[in-house]
Amino acid sequence: QKEVEQDPGPLSVPEGAIVSLNCTYSNSAFQYFMWYRQYSRKGPELLMYTYSSGNKEDGRFTAQVDKSSKYISLFIRDSQPSDSATYLCAMENQGGKLIFGQGTELSVKP
Amino acid sequence: EAGVVQSPRYKIIEKKQPVAFWCNPISGHNTLYWYRQNLGQGPELLIRYENEEAVDDSQLPKDRFSAERLKGVDSTLKIQPAELGDSAVYLCASRSGDGEKLFFGSGTQLSVL
Repeated sequence: QKEVEQDPGPLSVPEGAIVSLNCTYSNSAFQYFMWYRQYSRKGPELLMYTYSSGNKEDGRFTAQVDKSSKYISLFIRDSQPSDSATYLCAMENQGGKLIFGQGTELSVKP
Repeated sequence: EAGVVQSPRYKIIEKKQPVAFWCNPISGHNTLYWYRQNLGQGPELLIRYENEEAVDDSQLPKDRFSAERLKGVDSTLKIQPAELGDSAVYLCASRSGDGEKLFFGSGTQLSVL
């Protein structure tokens, strides 16, 4: 079993839709949770970072962490065609070991 | 400020040939990572450096892969000899010692024929 599981998609939604992306993990040592966005032929870039259970909001993006269920989510409100990319969840333990999920390919259609 | 710089951007080689990738992290970033990303997959850690010390190389295939980070700045990742299964994007990333944000380069896309 992989330490981090992420539905690979692909996911296609109309412009303006709410998008929900999810990851589960098995290692309770993970303390820090991140979402990265990766455009084609580019390196990943950090979108959201959190280290506690609960919600964190940044503009149209909301990251949610449930440590008791070992489950994290990223919500995108009012999705735009420019949000079309691959979204990667990532988790890190206190020793600096950072593991990525498989990535979910998102396409937002105008 | 320049981001993480990687070269070359693309590399095509025949199997059994050697290949090397170079990474220049963001100035002042002590931690440097090399990841490998296969098509449709997330990045997989190969090696992590704290300054010039490799603190996690457990996923590096040491029979053919080697890495170095002389003087704790630039880093080189080498494969010798390359195999067909090594075709992937090799990503370098860096972060400051107490930073939370990992900065990635654009990667080197390797094709082994």
